[in-house]
Amino acid sequence: NAGVMQNPRHLVRRRGQEARLRCSPMKGHSHVYWYRQLPEEGLKFMVYLQKENIIDESGMPKERFSAEFPKEGPSILRIQQVVRGDSAAYFCASSATEGGYLNYGYTFGSGTRLTVV
Amino acid sequence: SQKIEQNSEALNIQEGKTATLTCNYTNYSPAYLQWYRQDPGRGPVFLLLIRENEKEKRKERLKVTFDTTLKQSLFHITASQPADSATYLCALDREQAGTALIFGKGTTLSVSS
Repeated sequence: NAGVMQNPRHLVRRRGQEARLRCSPMKGHSHVYWYRQLPEEGLKFMVYLQKENIIDESGMPKERFSAEFPKEGPSILRIQQVVRGDSAAYFCASSATEGGYLNYGYTFGSGTRLTVV
Repeated sequence: SQKIEQNSEALNIQEGKTATLTCNYTNYSPAYLQWYRQDPGRGPVFLLLIRENEKEKRKERLKVTFDTTLKQSLFHITASQPADSATYLCALDREQAGTALIFGKGTTLSVSS
């Protein structure tokens, strides 16, 4: 069981470029959550997805950010036209069932550290 | 709106002592409260959870209490070791939609030998 896999671990982008962050949940998990952690800030919820569905994107900025979790393949968090303020650690977590995280906690990946220069 | 506060950003203690971390919340009554450990450059790791109808939970050297009247959880590490040095996060279920957890900023614990 490889756990939650995120790649790349580190990503450097110039302002205006696109960033694509990938997350493969634990085997058997079909619920994915994306969080952002800014320096000196706590983890902030961004979006919750199930396979092929966005369930809750209330924490995601309305512009430039999008997320998907296709039937096959990893979940993708996409940031278009990155700005310096997007520099942060982005974490993905998964759970096996809806609300499963409430009883068993999240399983997090090691994160992608995005640096915008 | 929901608010979580972890009482201090940093806590320094001597090896062998008990570390006590505090998590306070306002404007909500969560049904679940969880504690995570995060090491530098790593993702958070789930440690313990406690439900609103439980007063206390234990796991090895860890103990969590949940006081819904005070709106507070205490996280204790007994017989602390330098390897316990990390940032500890508390998390609550979200009031809105109930689809995810919200996290406090964390308390960084340093245990010196």
